[in-house]
Amino acid sequence: QSVLTQPPSASGTPGQRVTISCSGGSSNIGSNTVNWYQQLPGTAPKLLIYSNNQRPSGVPDRFSGSKSGTSASLAISGLQSEDEADYYCAAWDDSLNGYVFGTGTKVTVL
Amino acid sequence: QLQLQESGPGLVKPSETLSLTCTVSGGSIRSNTYYWGWIRQPPGKGLEWIGSIYYSGSTYYNPSLKSRVTISVDTSKNQFSLKLSSVTAADTAVYYCARSTVTTILNWFDPWGRGTLVTVSS
Repeated sequence: QSVLTQPPSASGTPGQRVTISCSGGSSNIGSNTVNWYQQLPGTAPKLLIYSNNQRPSGVPDRFSGSKSGTSASLAISGLQSEDEADYYCAAWDDSLNGYVFGTGTKVTVL
Repeated sequence: QLQLQESGPGLVKPSETLSLTCTVSGGSIRSNTYYWGWIRQPPGKGLEWIGSIYYSGSTYYNPSLKSRVTISVDTSKNQFSLKLSSVTAADTAVYYCARSTVTTILNWFDPWGRGTLVTVSS
């Protein structure tokens, strides 16, 4: 049972904006930065957002991250078919003394 | 650019020890900025961090797996390894190795290896 909770699914039509939430607690999101990973079908996860809102080189600016209190969000604006993937939030947890992943959200482009 | 590649048996019998190695190329494992970690993903399920190691041998383990996990590093070969003992069918998963950037804590994983499927079955 993950300590970071995400909605199982999200969807939108091409061009729409989709937001994924990640709910945690004071020992993880409340104390540490949040990272987001994108996992395209059949591939390894890829870092999408680090330190709450930073994009690695090569990640389109359609992807943005934010954090407030013990929750974080990933927004995808201008949704494209190639954005269809699973998305995971993650953070260090001070109580568990370990790195925890969210439950994952499957994004479908309608 | 930095690349990681997992290797090891794809089939392990129940109660035995799963052993995997991650070979790092395009960069040195002897970096004071990074830890090196293992993450797994059971078929159709989410990601689970297993543990991470520094080139000096310092480790962090997932508390839920700690009693069965050993992660080691061989700087001469630019490799790090995972051993998971007393495996059961619940340990069947794709196992990934990845580099973790360290700030004051273990932080983001990037890049990742392609992953290797390990099936636990007699």
